[in-house]
Amino acid sequence: AQTVTQSQPEMSVQEAETVTLSCTYDTSESNYYLFWYKQPPSRQMILVIRQEAYKQQNATENRFSVNFQKAAKSFSLKISDSQLGDTAMYFCASTTTSGSRLTFGEGTQLTVNP
Amino acid sequence: DVKVTQSSRYLVKRTGEKVFLECVQDMDHENMFWYRQDPGLGLRLIYFSYDVKMKEKGDIPEGYSVSREKKERFSLILESASTNQTSMYLCASRLTSGLLYEQFFGPGTRLTVL
Repeated sequence: AQTVTQSQPEMSVQEAETVTLSCTYDTSESNYYLFWYKQPPSRQMILVIRQEAYKQQNATENRFSVNFQKAAKSFSLKISDSQLGDTAMYFCASTTTSGSRLTFGEGTQLTVNP
Repeated sequence: DVKVTQSSRYLVKRTGEKVFLECVQDMDHENMFWYRQDPGLGLRLIYFSYDVKMKEKGDIPEGYSVSREKKERFSLILESASTNQTSMYLCASRLTSGLLYEQFFGPGTRLTVL
């Protein structure tokens, strides 16, 4: 079974600054995928970034990047140049190639302050 | 763009009522999912369906059932609603393969059972 843990229930950051959200996971699978989803106040879950476990290179999507440490089973999300629209709940999730189930962490509520 | 819609944004029901939550996707996705979202617990999988008339229990199926008679529609049924089923319910869908297993989410239904 997979588990995903987000140890920061809430975080805040000033506009234009950088913030890092933490995520650790546990899996016995040899290949798997990791995701960060964003849920703004509108409640619409949006995929932010994804990482294939067999790829060494950290994924990047514009201002969003990950620090994937496979041996440590860590998958943190870095948001650069934070914007007010980044205020949302962020969920870390994992899935395996052998199944279609996503396992989610508890979520981190990020507030970007002007 | 993939679109996943849910029948209601907000729903208020009484204890003991039978409740239907409907989800429709327009991208011919094979897999569909129902999650429950509670503060501090993240998203937990209730049921999923990997094809028409096929279903599999998730992590918290007790008190729920599902129906998938058509590919685009996946219904969650609360046979006899109870107050501990007050929660946010999210539907999602995805292709069986490709898109790195990304799931696309609906806007959620906030259900209150009185």
